[in-house]
Amino acid sequence: QVQLQESGPGLVKPSETLSLTCTVSSGSMTNYYWNWIRQTPGKRLEWIGYIYNTMSTNYNPSLKSRLTMSVDTSKSQLSLTLKSVTPADTAIYYCAGGTEAATWVHWGQGTLVTVPS
Amino acid sequence: SSELTQDPAVSVALGQTVRITCQGDSLKNYHANWYQQKPGQSPRLVIFGKNNRPSGIPDRFSGSGSGDTASLTITGAQAEDEADYYCNSRDSWNIYILLGGGTKLTVL
Repeated sequence: QVQLQESGPGLVKPSETLSLTCTVSSGSMTNYYWNWIRQTPGKRLEWIGYIYNTMSTNYNPSLKSRLTMSVDTSKSQLSLTLKSVTPADTAIYYCAGGTEAATWVHWGQGTLVTVPS
Repeated sequence: SSELTQDPAVSVALGQTVRITCQGDSLKNYHANWYQQKPGQSPRLVIFGKNNRPSGIPDRFSGSGSGDTASLTITGAQAEDEADYYCNSRDSWNIYILLGGGTKLTVL
């Protein structure tokens, strides 16, 4: 059973860069779509983007200019970097994966990121 | 299309059948997937593709679609089904992924 575990700083100051990792256990990272999704305090879910087969990325156009995703297969980790954060980026960030881009079978427990105003 | 629309809240009496809908142009070409989220938990996939349930999901959950609307049906709703339900799908150009705003299901 694939297990995912997000980790991150918890608090990021406005205009700084957010960096999150997601450790994948019990399975190969290839042939999977690895997505990042966030949930705002109002409980709205927003798709951030995905990385497929360690190299092919697809980002939400509203975040694309600030966003980078990567995979380190040697560490079984996904990474997300979001630049120039604002309070609107405050959310629970989840990593999720599946063999289809929009079918998220496996989820992490999420990590809360707060950007204070 | 860039939107999936869900009713914000739906209620059902214990043991009765409830349908939760998701509407959007992309659903004319792509199936919706459905996720259940209980308080303090991560979302969980309950229906994917045309009408497929992951292992462990009770068979009272089913999915269907017609035109621009996808539906999640719970036949014989249980108290433990009270949760938020979200739909997602590919967009109409098969480029990005869309998410619905979520439906809060209350079991009375």
